[in-house]
Amino acid sequence: SQKIEQNSEALNIQEGKTATLTCNYTNYSPAYLQWYRQDPGRGPVFLLLIRENEKEKRKERLKVTFDTTLKQSLFHITASQPADSATYLCALHTGGFKTIFGAGTRLFVKA
Amino acid sequence: EAQVTQNPRYLITVTGKKLTVTCSQNMNHEYMSWYRQDPGLGLRQIYYSMNVEVTDKGDVPEGYKVSRKEKRNFPLILESPSPNQTSLYFCASSAPRGIGTGELFFGEGSRLTVL
Repeated sequence: SQKIEQNSEALNIQEGKTATLTCNYTNYSPAYLQWYRQDPGRGPVFLLLIRENEKEKRKERLKVTFDTTLKQSLFHITASQPADSATYLCALHTGGFKTIFGAGTRLFVKA
Repeated sequence: EAQVTQNPRYLITVTGKKLTVTCSQNMNHEYMSWYRQDPGLGLRQIYYSMNVEVTDKGDVPEGYKVSRKEKRNFPLILESPSPNQTSLYFCASSAPRGIGTGELFFGEGSRLTVL
């Protein structure tokens, strides 16, 4: 069956460190992958997109990698801040009109 | 301001009482979609629409109906709600695939409780 897996356990890190979140998928061949941020009680907000032919994408303190052989994307936040505390969702687009989301990973950044 | 607006934001209802959750976007997006979010399961797609009068089932369409009579509106209809439809619902829209990042714009969510 098709699955997207993100770490279900929360990630706790110290301010200033790099947070690394993982998104693994099986039985998909995504055209591209997106990462979203979701704060409690709010709708998800788009952060970054990476296409199947791209290895890495950066935006300010954010970096996303995409390994279609490993079927994995890594999402990094460098110099993390308490304001980065949120749930981060990965989403796959398979070339059709469906967008499939992972369950998300909660990130806590301690001051 | 570009936005997706859902109503109501909170609703408590009883089993079998028909309800509609409205969704409206002001970005002239062709694509709109409904998701439900449950703890541990993440966002699951209910229905989506590629354009006016064009809709299709997502992964969990049972018990729901949608319509797309106008480009800006995409209401979600629960004809006979049941307690297993208690959830947090999100409406989202985006520009056509292949344009820009395919970014989904989400509403603020509608928390529905069915007793």
